[in-house]
Amino acid sequence: DAGITQSPRHKVTETGTPVTLRCHQTENHRYMYWYRQDPGHGLRLIHYSYGVKDTDKGEVSDGYSVSRSKTEDFLLTLESATSSQTSVYFCAISVQGNTGELFFGEGSRLTVL
Amino acid sequence: EDQVTQSPEALRLQEGESSSLNCSYTVSGLRGLFWYRQDPGKGPEFLFTLYSAGEEKEKERLKATLTKKESFLHITAPKPEDSATYLCAVGVDSGGSNYKLTFGKGTLLTVNP
Repeated sequence: DAGITQSPRHKVTETGTPVTLRCHQTENHRYMYWYRQDPGHGLRLIHYSYGVKDTDKGEVSDGYSVSRSKTEDFLLTLESATSSQTSVYFCAISVQGNTGELFFGEGSRLTVL
Repeated sequence: EDQVTQSPEALRLQEGESSSLNCSYTVSGLRGLFWYRQDPGKGPEFLFTLYSAGEEKEKERLKATLTKKESFLHITAPKPEDSATYLCAVGVDSGGSNYKLTFGKGTLLTVNP
């Protein structure tokens, strides 16, 4: 158990509203990631962080922002949610640097009406 | 462009019926091939990392192998609890110290008792 908690686990919101998803880890791992998973697509990286206040974009970052003010928390914000952002969002951590050996949270299912 | 293709998309087996899942890839500068298992409503669970052609890893009824173009996940005498979606991902260098992980769409395995 890598000690990753995502909140909320489920959320329904309306187009145009802001949404923030939270990822919390109980250890002090440097690398944290936000992915989205959609039918017909593999997991796609939205943003990642390699330290407090150090973040970078992934392949599908448009419409999303992130913040990491503490090692243990990584926030994903949709400033103005759109229906195309309806998805399951997964937070992940890497315990051995920036590698493909990731430990994922349970996911946050977001529905934008 | 890096590509990862998993086949088949879905596979149905009888308990005890061994088979293999395929992950073919087209990347330059492979820095690792990763297998994950994902149960419905859960985050992916890391299984294996393979780094070079000829390498093999085993865990219970699962064995992963790697060639220069593809990886196989062999399932020997599967049980119903092996039912899950199996994801493959490849890691490559993306310039400087950056690292890019590309996931396939997964194979849904169902093992009937």
